[in-house]
Amino acid sequence: GEDVEQSLFLSVREGDSSVINCTYTDSSSTYLYWYKQEPGAGLQLLTYIFSNMDMKQDQRLTVLLNKKDKHLSLRIADTQTGDSAIYFCHPNSGNTPLVFGKGTRLSVIA
Amino acid sequence: DSGVTQTPKHLITATGQRVTLRCSPRSGDLSVYWYQQSLDQGLQFLIQYYNGEERAKGNILERFSAQQFPDLHSELNLSSLELGDSALYFCASSTTASSYNSPLHFGNGTRLTVT
Repeated sequence: GEDVEQSLFLSVREGDSSVINCTYTDSSSTYLYWYKQEPGAGLQLLTYIFSNMDMKQDQRLTVLLNKKDKHLSLRIADTQTGDSAIYFCHPNSGNTPLVFGKGTRLSVIA
Repeated sequence: DSGVTQTPKHLITATGQRVTLRCSPRSGDLSVYWYQQSLDQGLQFLIQYYNGEERAKGNILERFSAQQFPDLHSELNLSSLELGDSALYFCASSTTASSYNSPLHFGNGTRLTVT
């Protein structure tokens, strides 16, 4: 089955860029999602990339995909205190079980 | 607002008891997923239902069961509760049976505390 690895913690200063990395094992992953979980809330879809793309930019967010290395990253430019949350990488091939990693807790220091 | 409703928001109960968590999926979504989130285990997939039928099973204990009703709402039943069952339980929904091309929409969760 799928295995997803992320660093558990990341701390950045307000205004800096944040880079959250993810490695996965299922090479047939077609859609690769990033979810954000704010304190006291459920996960919300942040962005996604198709497996035939290398990069996707959406305002302050940039997603990079290296299919060969099975590596996905999320870059947040000009990180704000409101970006403090847990970020989950979710590569999805349609296979079960529907695995999420443990997530990366991003702390933004003012 | 994701459109997924979970009740109750908080539940406190004693060991050995049984509880039922309820989820109403987003309008039009046929799939419902249940996840357990604890600090040390991250987000664990429990079970998925699609249009009333069990579709996929994850790390769900035998003491736990779920069902999806004709109106598509779902219930997760947890019995013979243990202290280790204390966690956040999330429900998510999606439009299709296979979520790979249909992202999940999560509710705000039910926080279960077993004392």
